[in-house]
Amino acid sequence: KAGVTQTPRYLIKTRGQQVTLSCSPISGHRSVSWYQQTPGQGLQFLFEYFSETQRNKGNFPGRFSGRQFSNSRSEMNVSTLELGDSALYLCASSPTSFTGELFFGEGSRLTVL
Amino acid sequence: KNEVEQSPQNLTAQEGEFITINCSYSVGISALHWLQQHPGGGIVSLFMLSSGKKKHGRLIATINIQEKHSSLHITASHPRDSAVYICAVSPMNYGGSQGNLIFGKGTKLSVKP
Repeated sequence: KAGVTQTPRYLIKTRGQQVTLSCSPISGHRSVSWYQQTPGQGLQFLFEYFSETQRNKGNFPGRFSGRQFSNSRSEMNVSTLELGDSALYLCASSPTSFTGELFFGEGSRLTVL
Repeated sequence: KNEVEQSPQNLTAQEGEFITINCSYSVGISALHWLQQHPGGGIVSLFMLSSGKKKHGRLIATINIQEKHSSLHITASHPRDSAVYICAVSPMNYGGSQGNLIFGKGTKLSVKP
């Protein structure tokens, strides 16, 4: 069974640009969550999707958005990039939103110059 | 005060030693997760607990809901156990959603041969 796949793995952007990151969950998993990891703040919850609906959102500005498609693949978008958005962005999938362990992808490492 | 506190922040052990990492939290939770992160970023879920004790190989995780405390034990530690161990909780006031996590800062474990 294939694991959680995140693309791209590495990317470099400049301030003011926007970026879209993709997460393909394990087959059959309907819940996808996104997290940001920085050296200063550690891991922080961004948002969670289940069956194409956003269930929860973390404390991030509106520049951070996401969506989930009918095949459970999810994307997150960050607009008007700032230097502080440089981070490792991780997604995790689980069978449902309420039960089961989380399976994490390898992450997308974003550098904003 | 952080809602999830881990101790110690750094831990160096000799191969074969018994290791304990502690996690205290201040919110009501539906579950507690122990995660392992290796250099490079990928995260693996080790345990998801809502009560009692779980064992997997040389790893044991316990949780005391009344005291809001959990411990992760590693028996007969090995250099391959070197990683960052992260405690995370699913707060109860988010409908039991497992993806909405509050993370501790992590414990960096180094096991010397």
